[in-house]
Amino acid sequence: QSVLTQPPSVSAAPGQKVTISCSGSSSNIGNNYVSWYQQLPGTAPKLLIYDNNKRPSGIPDRFSGSKSGTSATLGITGLQTGDEADYYCGTWDSSLRRVVFGGGTKLTVL
Amino acid sequence: QVQLQESGPGLVKPSQTLSLTCTVSGGSISSGSYYWSWIRQPAGKGLEWIGRIYTSGSTNYNPSLKSRVTISVDTSKNQFSLKLSSVTAADTAVYYCARVSTSRFDPWGQGTLVTVSS
Repeated sequence: QSVLTQPPSVSAAPGQKVTISCSGSSSNIGNNYVSWYQQLPGTAPKLLIYDNNKRPSGIPDRFSGSKSGTSATLGITGLQTGDEADYYCGTWDSSLRRVVFGGGTKLTVL
Repeated sequence: QVQLQESGPGLVKPSQTLSLTCTVSGGSISSGSYYWSWIRQPAGKGLEWIGRIYTSGSTNYNPSLKSRVTISVDTSKNQFSLKLSSVTAADTAVYYCARVSTSRFDPWGQGTLVTVSS
């Protein structure tokens, strides 16, 4: 049972848009920055979004992040088959005093 | 650009101590205000944070693992290390090291699979 709650899977057609939610509480998302990671099959996670909505250099603007209250959302537009991966949200939990991750969301591009 | 590479035994016997090292290249482990962290991922499951170390030696550990975990840093070798004692099959996972800045992990090492089995 992950501290942050993500849908196990989402799917959409190529070229479409998808959103992935990450729900937490005031001790984590509500008062700390959220990051998002993309894990392609058989590879290490890669930073996609940090500080709720910032993109590292090299990450296309098709990827976006937002936060409202105790929830965060990752948005991906112009879906490509290469976007098929597992996506994880993560943040610090001030009560648990540790980094917490969501359980991951598997994106399928139909 | 900074790159990280995990190394260590791929097979550890139950009750023994798992030891891994992360070598940082392309930059000094002491430069900048970064933590250095370990994360693990059992096959088919999600990410679990193990702990982090600052180059001063200050550490934070996942409370669920704290009694068994030690993370250390060797700035002269540009490395940091993980020791996890009294391992069981539940500790079988891919172990990643990563650089941390304001709780964002970037970059990550490629990961190393550690299997606990007799």
